[in-house]
Amino acid sequence: EVQLVESGGRVVRPGGSLRLSCAASGFTFTNYAMHWVRQSPGRGLEYVAGISDDGNRVHFADSVRGRFDISRDNSQKTVSLEMGRLRIEDMAVYYCVRSENFWSGYTYFDSWGQGALVTVSS
Amino acid sequence: IVLTQSPATLSLSPGDTATLSCGASPSVTNNFLAWYQQKPGLAPRLLIYGTSNRATGIPDRFRGSGSGTDFILTISRLEPEDYAVYYCQQYGDSPWTFGQGTKVEIK
Repeated sequence: EVQLVESGGRVVRPGGSLRLSCAASGFTFTNYAMHWVRQSPGRGLEYVAGISDDGNRVHFADSVRGRFDISRDNSQKTVSLEMGRLRIEDMAVYYCVRSENFWSGYTYFDSWGQGALVTVSS
Repeated sequence: IVLTQSPATLSLSPGDTATLSCGASPSVTNNFLAWYQQKPGLAPRLLIYGTSNRATGIPDRFRGSGSGTDFILTISRLEPEDYAVYYCQQYGDSPWTFGQGTKVEIK
């Protein structure tokens, strides 16, 4: 059974930093690109960042580029989202998701984690 | 690419047919459009990809169609477990974007 389990969500102050992690199991991790998608009442579902199966290519939404970073450890089957200079509008549930490939035409998300809640508040 | 879903809410009885629309501006490259179902407190679940291909385990009551700027998700013979929010997503052009959702509720 495919499982994606996020951790690290918590309350953080504006301007602060946070690292989310996602542990994958039940599939060949190195065969899939991994991404983060977030959901908030105000912004709906929003793509955040992605990383290729080998970790050599990354992609970010304009709203987080320069503030967030994504990485993966294929030996540990984990993907991480490093979030910096957090803003109120970054407050959301963050989902770890996978896709068959990194490129256009393949980036639909066939498995989702349960989500990690990030609250940005002073 | 901006995706606009309509209607915002659809009130239907079990056994009815639901027709959900997703409009794109500009058009979706190669019709790379997916549909997801989300129930309260849960993550979205992939239903359809490539406009009309059902994901693993999705019953044939769910049918996707359309092309270019107009896409449809049809749910035939509504079952109690089908009441949920449905989202479309395009993955033809970066940034990948989602519609704002259509809620299918019990009438």
